[in-house]
Amino acid sequence: LAKTTQPISMDSYEGQEVNITCSHNNIATNDYITWYQQFPSQGPRFIIQGYKTKVTNEVASLFIPADRKSSTLSLPRVSLSDTAVYYCLVGEGGGADGLTFGKGTHLIIQP
Amino acid sequence: KAGVTQTPRYLIKTRGQQVTLSCSPISGHRSVSWYQQTPGQGLQFLFEYFSETQRNKGNFPGRFSGRQFSNSRSEMNVSTLELGDSALYLCASIVRVIKAFFGQGTRLTVV
Repeated sequence: LAKTTQPISMDSYEGQEVNITCSHNNIATNDYITWYQQFPSQGPRFIIQGYKTKVTNEVASLFIPADRKSSTLSLPRVSLSDTAVYYCLVGEGGGADGLTFGKGTHLIIQP
Repeated sequence: KAGVTQTPRYLIKTRGQQVTLSCSPISGHRSVSWYQQTPGQGLQFLFEYFSETQRNKGNFPGRFSGRQFSNSRSEMNVSTLELGDSALYLCASIVRVIKAFFGQGTRLTVV
């Protein structure tokens, strides 16, 4: 899996839009970008996946520029319950090392 | 469809004992992966099974083993438990292209 870099932590307030950026300079042609959310003592939850341009679902949007060397997860109008760790993964499959989760971004939403 | 089911949710064991954890993937999914999560090391890949065969293995000692049955249910076993084995153990069904569905995990405490 391509190495990714994302901020260790972020703070925001309820009702705001939050954007978390992930850098993946050595992304390969066949790689997809996938984001997971994890609450304490629970398994990660798949949020969104994309290959290029923009993907939107009921939870979030994923913006991917043309060079695909970075991506931005956008969470609209966050609430306290969005406080969690968000992981960005880049790859095409589990591979020999399985899914490689970095440290993720600890998002803290305040009232 | 039911999600990934892990049992038990919580477990307390004594050093030197062994433990077996169980995982039932999403119905129809044949790939199961196991992960260990600790505060210090984050999420680390243990092994992956597909159609009863171990496909990949992470960098863990031989005390950690697993197997998969014909109905895709999987078990992992840790022998001669050490205090450092205390962790959240997560099981995942990987659908495709790094898209995984995780169970709630088993919280193992070694005392």
